[in-house]
Amino acid sequence: DVQLVESGGELVQSGGSLRLSCAASGFSLHNYWMNWVRQAPGKGLEWVATIKQDGSDKYYADSVRGRFTISRDYAKNSLYLQMSRLRAEDTGVYYCARDDSTGAFDYWGQGTLVTVSS
Amino acid sequence: QSVLIQPPSASATPGQRVTISCSGSSSNIATNYVYWYQQVPGTAPKLLIYRNNERPSGVPGRFSGSKSGTSASLAISGLRSEDEADYYCAAWDDTLDVLLFGGGTTLTAL
Repeated sequence: DVQLVESGGELVQSGGSLRLSCAASGFSLHNYWMNWVRQAPGKGLEWVATIKQDGSDKYYADSVRGRFTISRDYAKNSLYLQMSRLRAEDTGVYYCARDDSTGAFDYWGQGTLVTVSS
Repeated sequence: QSVLIQPPSASATPGQRVTISCSGSSSNIATNYVYWYQQVPGTAPKLLIYRNNERPSGVPGRFSGSKSGTSASLAISGLRSEDEADYYCAAWDDTLDVLLFGGGTTLTAL
């Protein structure tokens, strides 16, 4: 079965850094675009970043470009989001999601909570 | 405010049909596929509709999607109480070069 499990979320001070992980099982990251999507408390979904199968192309939301970096480790079959210069508005649940190659996010993790204190 | 505009709420009695709209522009909905996600509060989103009107396996046939010009719609026929959730449309924007989500619509079964 396909499974995505995020980890790494915690309370961090404004200006700090954090790395989120997403462990994939039941499929190989080699074959799929992968994404991070976040949701602030009580708010809607916000796309954060996308990485191509081979890691050659990466896309970022304007709100995180230059501060966040998406990456992947094929050996560990894991996706990462390195976050730096964190702000209060980065607080929320971060989900990793698989793109099924049609642009649809067909599998999502359970999410990991990031809280940035000001 | 989201670039993809959805009504914040919608409601209907069980058994009725309800539609949720998603309004965009020439750089997103008009030229790219639209996707719909269902999110029960406290859980991860679930893919409901892809490529405008396709349903993943396991999604009931009473959910359907359509697109016309710069707008898209999600229709739920024969509403059931378990359909109470937040619904989000999504589409890539060619000008902004980002994936956009609508602001979400909270559906209530009266």
